[in-house]
Amino acid sequence: KAGVTQTPRYLIKTRGQQVTLSCSPISGHRSVSWYQQTPGQGLQFLFEYFSETQRNKGNFPGRFSGRQFSNSRSEMNVSTLELGDSALYLCASSPRREGTEAFFGQGTRLTVV
Amino acid sequence: GESVGLHLPTLSVQEGDNSIINCAYSNSASDYFIWYKQESGKGPQFIIDIRSNMDKRQGQRVTVLLNKTVKHLSLQIAATQPGDSAVYFCAEKRGSGNTPLVFGKGTRLSVIA
Repeated sequence: KAGVTQTPRYLIKTRGQQVTLSCSPISGHRSVSWYQQTPGQGLQFLFEYFSETQRNKGNFPGRFSGRQFSNSRSEMNVSTLELGDSALYLCASSPRREGTEAFFGQGTRLTVV
Repeated sequence: GESVGLHLPTLSVQEGDNSIINCAYSNSASDYFIWYKQESGKGPQFIIDIRSNMDKRQGQRVTVLLNKTVKHLSLQIAATQPGDSAVYFCAEKRGSGNTPLVFGKGTRLSVIA
């Protein structure tokens, strides 16, 4: 069974631009969560989706948004990029409605210059 | 305040010895805990999880112990190998239902050959 797939793996963007990251969960997993990982803050929760509905949102500004499609694939978007948005963005999928047993993808390394 | 933290940021262990990585949590409402291993350049890899109705759970070469009295979680790795070198994160899920995983800062395990 294929794991969680995130694309692209690496991205370089300029301040002020926007970016869209994609996540394909493990087949059959309907819960998808997004995290931002930085050396200073560690893993910070962004949002969680189940069956196309956002169930939870972390403490991030409105520039960060996401969505989930009917096939459980998810995207997150960051608008008006800032230097501080440089991070590893991780997606995790879970076979459980409550989001336990979450498996992570390899992440997308975003660098904002 | 509520937090998930680790007692030691780094741990060096001789190859073949057992490793013990510790984690403290402060919210007695947490009912699910999970350990991840993250190697350089990769996403977190699921190791083992445990629910609050259990004190111990064993996997392949790994054991997780949960002490609810002192709100302490540990990951034991038997016969540590060089491939075990990585950063280990504990995470907790607070309450039941739709709550996100909250991660600790991580412990770097270095295996000395």
